[in-house]
Amino acid sequence: ILNVEQSPQSLHVQEGDSTNFTCSFPSSNFYALHWYRWETAKSPEALFVMTLNGDEKKKGRISATLNTKEGYSYLYIKGSQPEDSATYLCASLNAGGTSYGKLTFGQGTILTVHP
Amino acid sequence: GAVVSQHPSRVICKSGTSVKIECRSLDFQATTMFWYRQFPKQSLMLMATSNEGSKATYEQGVEKDKFLINHASLTLSTLTVTSAHPEDSSFYICSAWEQENSPLHFGNGTRLTVT
Repeated sequence: ILNVEQSPQSLHVQEGDSTNFTCSFPSSNFYALHWYRWETAKSPEALFVMTLNGDEKKKGRISATLNTKEGYSYLYIKGSQPEDSATYLCASLNAGGTSYGKLTFGQGTILTVHP
Repeated sequence: GAVVSQHPSRVICKSGTSVKIECRSLDFQATTMFWYRQFPKQSLMLMATSNEGSKATYEQGVEKDKFLINHASLTLSTLTVTSAHPEDSSFYICSAWEQENSPLHFGNGTRLTVT
C-alpha cells in the first residue's frame, strides 16, 4: 500500500503572501503525480499531472515541481488571494504491483488566505 | 471541460435500507470510473475501480456484497450501499478519466448519513 504524505496539514497566510507545501510519495514504480484543488462545496479540480523528474508546471500564480528520485513535489502559490483558499490534494500513480493504475491520495493541505 | 455529475449530493436513510448513488460522465465516455470514500480529516480512500461491461475491482477490505458497483454504460456507474448501517455514514465521491493518466474529473460527492 502506497503512503502519500502532505505537509503541512493546514496553513493560514495573508493576502499577497507567497506559500508552498509538500507532497512526498514512494519513488519506486513511480508513474505520475497529480495535484488537485478542492474548494468547499465543489468537486476537486485538476491542477497538474506531472511525470518526468525535474518537471516544472505553471498555471497562473500556481506552479509545481517534481523530484521522482527522492519522491517529493512542491506546490507554490505566488501572491496568495482569498480565492486560493481550498484544500490542495496530491496523488501518486504507480505502475507496479498492487498499486498499478490507481491514484493514491494524500490527506491534503488546507490553505486559508486571509484578506 | 469534461463534467462528472453525481447524485444525490446528500442522503439520509434508516439503518437496514439500501442507497444508490449515481455517477455520470456528461460529455465524455468513461470506460473506467473510481469510487472513493472519505472519513473526516482523512484522505480519499479508493474503494473500487468500476469498469464498463465487467466486474468492478475492489480494494482490500472493501466488502463487494455491501458496496455493489454497476457500470452498465460508458457514461454511468452506480454504487449501491446495501443494508446500510450507521458506520457506513461517510462522504462518497466518484471520478473518471477520459484516458488513462489524464486528470481525473470528479463528481461533487454524496454525504450519506445512516440513522
